[in-house]
Amino acid sequence: QVQLQESGPGLVAPSETLSLTCTVSGYSISSGYYWGWIRQPPGKGLEWVGTIFHDGSTYYNPSLKSRVTMSVDTSRNQFSLKLSSVTAADTAVYYCARGPPRYCSFWGQGTLVTVSS
Amino acid sequence: QSALTQPRSVSGSPGQSVTISCTGTSSDVGGYNYVSWYQQHPGKAPKLMIYDVTRRPSGVPDRFSGSKSGNTASLTISGLQAEDEADYYCSSYTSSVTLVFGGGTKLTVL
Repeated sequence: QVQLQESGPGLVAPSETLSLTCTVSGYSISSGYYWGWIRQPPGKGLEWVGTIFHDGSTYYNPSLKSRVTMSVDTSRNQFSLKLSSVTAADTAVYYCARGPPRYCSFWGQGTLVTVSS
Repeated sequence: QSALTQPRSVSGSPGQSVTISCTGTSSDVGGYNYVSWYQQHPGKAPKLMIYDVTRRPSGVPDRFSGSKSGNTASLTISGLQAEDEADYYCSSYTSSVTLVFGGGTKLTVL
């Protein structure tokens, strides 16, 4: 069974960089599929952040593209998200998932990241 | 990219059927058969219920079905049960190689 687990700081100061890692178990990232991040502000809907393939090719939400960087580490079976110059509007539960932009078949449990000083 | 349009809320009684619509454009819903639907209970991660417009992942009851006509996709839940009460989100692949979600629909089982 494929499992994903997000990890990273739960509190980030404004203007700093948010960094999260997703560790995948039960499936080797290098075997294929796209891997991505989706976020959900408290009480609001889902927003796709970006997607990465095992070869490192990336696709980002146009509204976040200037601030987003995703990377993959196949040796650790992990992929990561960096979001720079964060503001309170970036406060959200961040989910990692397998599959976007076609569909998200497996999801992590999510991690709340709060932007505050 | 603009979010897909879903009704804010729908409701139905146990045993009834409900349909949730999801309206996009020819650049997303209307242009590709890559519409998916997710169920989200409070405090939980979303769960894939329908993908590629009509396909159900293993383990999803056949009470859940999907369809599409033009730029509008629909999720129908038949034989409504109490545990179906949740938020439902549609999503679609787009011509820009991105993923766009709907605003979400709260389903209340009366």
